[in-house]
Parts: sequence; C-alpha cells; structure tokens
Amino acid sequence: DSGVTQTPKHLITATGQRVTLRCSPRSGDLSVYWYQQSLDQGLQFLIQYYNGEERAKGNILERFSAQQFPDLHSELNLSSLELGDSALYFCASSVVNGVSNTGELFFGEGSRLTVL
Amino acid sequence: GDSVTQMEGPVTLSEEAFLTINCTYTATGYPSLFWYVQYPGEGLQLLLKATKADDKGSNKGFEATYRKETTSFHLEKGSVQVSDSAVYFCALIPRSSASKIIFGSGTRLSIRP
Repeated sequence: DSGVTQTPKHLITATGQRVTLRCSPRSGDLSVYWYQQSLDQGLQFLIQYYNGEERAKGNILERFSAQQFPDLHSELNLSSLELGDSALYFCASSVVNGVSNTGELFFGEGSRLTVL
Repeated sequence: GDSVTQMEGPVTLSEEAFLTINCTYTATGYPSLFWYVQYPGEGLQLLLKATKADDKGSNKGFEATYRKETTSFHLEKGSVQVSDSAVYFCALIPRSSASKIIFGSGTRLSIRP
C-alpha cells in the first residue's frame, strides 16, 4: 500500500460527458502528479501541483483541468470526453516540490476510465 | 528534449532465466535514472535508482548500472521468478527540471513456470 488513494477505481461514461477523478496523497506529501497510461502511448505526464499551486505541465489537453485543495487532495477534471480518453489515470505524490532528492514517487492504484 | 527509450515487449522467459531489459536515454547533462515496476492491478513503485555515472542501483536481485558513455541504464537479473512478471519502466529526472520524471513506454515481462 503506497498510501495514495484514488477514487473511483473504475468509471464508465459516454462521449461528451464530464468526470472528476480524485486523489488523496500520502500523509505529509505536498506534491501531487497526474499521469495518463494508455496502451498506445505509455505513461504520459499531465500536470503537477505543489502545496496548492501548479508547478509543471505536461501533455495535458485543454479539455482537462486539475487543482489541489488546501487539504492537499487533488482532482482531475476531464470534460467533453472522447473515445481516445479511455485510459488508466494515475496520481502520484512526493514530499518535496521536485523529486531529484529521492526520485521516488508514490503511485495510487489508478482510476480506469472507459468512454463509450 | 529529454527522453527514455526502452526495448519493446512483451518479453517472455522461463523461470530461472537471465533477464536484460534495455534502456537508453537522451538528456542534457547527467540526469538521475530509475527503474519502476508495475505489478498487475497496482500502481508503479520504485525498484532501483542511480544518481551519477557508474553508480549501480540494486534491489530484489535486480541491478542496473548508470553508463554515461553509452547513455544506458539496462536492467538485469540473474534468475527470474514467476513473481517478477510485471511491467518495467525506465525513467529519468533531468538536471534542468527536478519537477518532472520522464518515463519510458514500459516493457511487459512474463515469466513461465
């Protein structure tokens, strides 16, 4: 158990809909990272927050947005969903802003999104 | 830009076979290098790391050596077990941006009893 909690574990929805994925980081971790894992594109970095502020942005679509709340949990919002958005979405946390000190990210078990 | 290239899978081996999963990288300067493992139904977890040239990371019988001459960080294990079946990701953290960890595409490993 990594200590990172993601909900829901599975989600099935239709094209055009909007969903929210939730992540609670490990106790004491200030950074939250979101990754998308799909079969054809591997693990893609989406976005990072540190203590409530956006710190790094990757290949995140404009239809997607995220935030980190004062209690440090984070939400990833996916809107106008398309078939290609079907993927496993991982949240990871680390205690520091950057990971260079330890290189260790703690991953949740992921939220599997299926868009029909 | 910075990137990681892994050998494509899936890789299927018999139990007790020798394992090598190749990983090469492109980065400015000398990044930190990592191997993560993803067991079925779980998130990724750190397997081993090396932060400077010639360092060897090791854990659970796996080893990888940071080779700056060949920009490589190949994962090896002398005798694999069925329980090693998983997806393995090579990753780097660039010196220029400590906020981001860049993953390779992953290599699926299956071990036959």
